[in-house]
Amino acid sequence: SAVISQKPSRDICQRGTSLTIQCQVDSQVTMMFWYRQQPGQSLTLIATANQGSEATYESGFVIDKFPISRPNLTFSTLTVSNLSPEDSSIYLCSVEEDGTAGANVLTFGAGSRLTVL
Amino acid sequence: AQSVTQLGSHVSVSEGALVLLRCNYSSSVPPYLFWYVQYPNQGLQLLLKYTSAATLVKGINGFEAEFKKSETSFHLTKPSAHMSDAAEYFCAVMGGKLIFGQGTELSVKP
Repeated sequence: SAVISQKPSRDICQRGTSLTIQCQVDSQVTMMFWYRQQPGQSLTLIATANQGSEATYESGFVIDKFPISRPNLTFSTLTVSNLSPEDSSIYLCSVEEDGTAGANVLTFGAGSRLTVL
Repeated sequence: AQSVTQLGSHVSVSEGALVLLRCNYSSSVPPYLFWYVQYPNQGLQLLLKYTSAATLVKGINGFEAEFKKSETSFHLTKPSAHMSDAAEYFCAVMGGKLIFGQGTELSVKP
């Protein structure tokens, strides 16, 4: 399966600033996803990032707050803008890989733990 | 819309005891179902997946799950818990996008 590297693994930021998270994959993939995991919560999909097109955002997430880049088939970035303490979460990058019997599988990076003071 | 519900946010078992983590799904079409595990300070790792090929699915680390359409369930089991099984477990259904349950934290007592 694909190997995903996320940077930074963790960071502490001041409110009002921005943080950009990088996601590097060791193989070319079409579909990349960004998830948020708030403390003690499950994972919520932020957006789907396809190379060559604008990211598709889920309800409750907007491009101004979470701009995403997808310059090629192995890399993506997620920026969390104008940080507030409510943005303190783990942000996970994932990629879709072809699976057996038509069930594609998502592989996840280790996550980027953000704390906003 | 597809969804999954995990019963019990926290499960505690003794080492060597049976592990049973419950997941019920809602889907208008035959679902693809998954169990993921998240160890502390790590990302998610796929344990197993159901794709309609077989109702009993075997995964990694001795885990298995049985798909029961009549009960709309996909419970995760392991015959004998090990200390290293302590983690957060997520059930998920693929419905255009991967939708996760709320998670169940498994604790294993020595």
